[in-house]
Amino acid sequence: AQKVTQAQTEISVVEKEDVTLDCVYETRDTTYYLFWYKQPPSGELVFLIRRNSFDEQNEISGRYSWNFQKSTSSFNFTITASQVVDSAVYFCALSEATGGFKTIFGAGTRLFVKA
Amino acid sequence: GAVVSQHPSWVICKSGTSVKIECRSLDFQATTMFWYRQFPKQSLMLMATSNEGSKATYEQGVEKDKFLINHASLTLSTLTVTSAHPEDSSFYICSARQGFNEKLFFGSGTQLSVL
Repeated sequence: AQKVTQAQTEISVVEKEDVTLDCVYETRDTTYYLFWYKQPPSGELVFLIRRNSFDEQNEISGRYSWNFQKSTSSFNFTITASQVVDSAVYFCALSEATGGFKTIFGAGTRLFVKA
Repeated sequence: GAVVSQHPSWVICKSGTSVKIECRSLDFQATTMFWYRQFPKQSLMLMATSNEGSKATYEQGVEKDKFLINHASLTLSTLTVTSAHPEDSSFYICSARQGFNEKLFFGSGTQLSVL
């Protein structure tokens, strides 16, 4: 069965600090997709990144970067030089072939960035 | 980018009544739509997977007679909460995707309050 664990419930940082959000997943499939979504206070989820199981290349997009390591089943998300607007709940999600590619979410990490 | 429209944004109803929530993909054909439920400060719990023209697949523990899902076309799925009770009060979110390996686009969510 697929499972996503986000051990950090809440993180509080001061603006301009770097912060890493952890995500550990479990799956028996060799074909799967990992995602990160952001849920700001407005409630609507915003897609951040998708990574398939065959592509372990790390990715950087502006202040965001992702580290995918199959050896440790982790897909961590780092925000560099955090800003107040980054305050939100961040969800890691997994979609696997066996499950018909339905997307299962982790518990989420609530990030507070203080000015 | 792709847009998913969800209506209504919020609804208040009396116990025992039924409530219908609509989810439309505005600029793409959604082969699959998902319905999630989110309690305050918690993660998204998948309720069911809806494929156009076929019966929805419900997750374990979700009452199919309670939460009726209809995916009548490639752009519209509806969730009807039948005989709503206060414990059904929650934030319901729909999502849609074009292909199995595609990212999800989310609706803005519906806050249901049952009095």
